[in-house]
Amino acid sequence: AQTVTQSQPEMSVQEAETVTLSCTYDTSESDYYLFWYKQPPSRQMILVIRQEAYKQQNATENRFSVNFQKAAKSFSLKISDSQLGDAAMYFCAYRSSGTSGSRLTFGEGTQLTVNP
Amino acid sequence: DAGVIQSPRHEVTEMGQEVTLRCKPISGHDYLFWYRQTMMRGLELLIYFNNNVPIDDSGMPEDRFSAKMPNASFSTLKIQPSEPRDSAVYFCASSLLQQQYTGELFFGEGSRLTVL
Repeated sequence: AQTVTQSQPEMSVQEAETVTLSCTYDTSESDYYLFWYKQPPSRQMILVIRQEAYKQQNATENRFSVNFQKAAKSFSLKISDSQLGDAAMYFCAYRSSGTSGSRLTFGEGTQLTVNP
Repeated sequence: DAGVIQSPRHEVTEMGQEVTLRCKPISGHDYLFWYRQTMMRGLELLIYFNNNVPIDDSGMPEDRFSAKMPNASFSTLKIQPSEPRDSAVYFCASSLLQQQYTGELFFGEGSRLTVL
């Protein structure tokens, strides 16, 4: 079974600075998808960014980018120019591209604090 | 367009009572998921439906839990009898078939259940 590990329970960053959240995963599959979801205090889960394993290019969405290292099974999220609204719990998630692809497996989460 | 709607937002009940959580997915979505979030176990997939049919219920913890989707616009998750260890936030999420292959699930705001 696939597992996702986020080794940083909490992180903090100064407003306007850059922060990187770590994620590693374990799988024997070669084709899969990886995601970062954001959960603000409102509790609603919001998709931040996705990466297809077959793509070598790292995904970027405005101030959010990933560093995808397939061989190392590492998938970190970089937030540039951090804003107060970025404060939230961030979850890394894995999804197989196979027949069980509908199941999203989440990491434990990293609580991000943004200091003014 | 309205997002995924869950009710109730908060439920406090006593051990042994029946609990029913409700979900209205986004109109037109053909997949529906129930997740449970706890501090100890993180986010767990309980069950998911495709076109109102349960596809994978391997995450349902035990027979006290049941889920139904009588039509495309409504689903329930029932716990009978409830126990204190069922206390958690329960999320409903929906997606379109195409989004299954990009991973984007749209989540509701969750139902926080407390069993005393």
